[in-house]
Amino acid sequence: SAVISQKPSRDICQRGTSLTIQCQVDSQVTMMFWYRQQPGQSLTLIATANQGSEATYESGFVIDKFPISRPNLTFSTLTVSNMSPEDSSIYLCSVVRVWETNYGYTFGSGTRLTVV
Amino acid sequence: TQLLEQSPQFLSIQEGENLTVYCNSSSVFSSLQWYRQEPGEGPVLLVTVVTGGEVKKLKRLTFQFGDARKDSSLHITAAQPGDTGLYLCAGDPRRNTGNQFYFGTGTSLTVIP
Repeated sequence: SAVISQKPSRDICQRGTSLTIQCQVDSQVTMMFWYRQQPGQSLTLIATANQGSEATYESGFVIDKFPISRPNLTFSTLTVSNMSPEDSSIYLCSVVRVWETNYGYTFGSGTRLTVV
Repeated sequence: TQLLEQSPQFLSIQEGENLTVYCNSSSVFSSLQWYRQEPGEGPVLLVTVVTGGEVKKLKRLTFQFGDARKDSSLHITAAQPGDTGLYLCAGDPRRNTGNQFYFGTGTSLTVIP
């Protein structure tokens, strides 16, 4: 299955600042997905990132707050802008993979963000 | 939004016990996936069920897809501490691997040695 390198793994940031999270995939993929997760809870989709076009954002998430870049088929970044304590969460990137009789997401290891 | 409700939300059992986690929806899915997530890691895919009524086994884990493809269950036999984690189901609304998947509400399992 695919390997996704995500960094940073964790960070503590001051409110009002921005953090950029990077995901590098070991092969080319059309779509990358960015999720947010509160510890121990389910995942909420932030946006879908296609190479060469604007990301598609889910309800409640806007580009000014969560700008996404997708410069090529193996890399994407998510920026959390003008952070507040409410942005404290785990952020995950993922891609779809097909192998043997299964298909689903492969995830990065996540970025645990704490805003103080 | 296609809601997937998981039950129970939390489960704490002794090593060696059996358990079942349920994933229910009013929507039909072309397939349903089960993931396990350990602290500090991303979710890891366990299995995908595609056909209504399908049963798949992964060692002590048995996964079943409902006949109407609206629900699924995960049964663990003789649970071990290594089974501890957050279990998530996710549904694919269309048979297209480029689609977004919809995640369930999650079940946090703790297996006590």
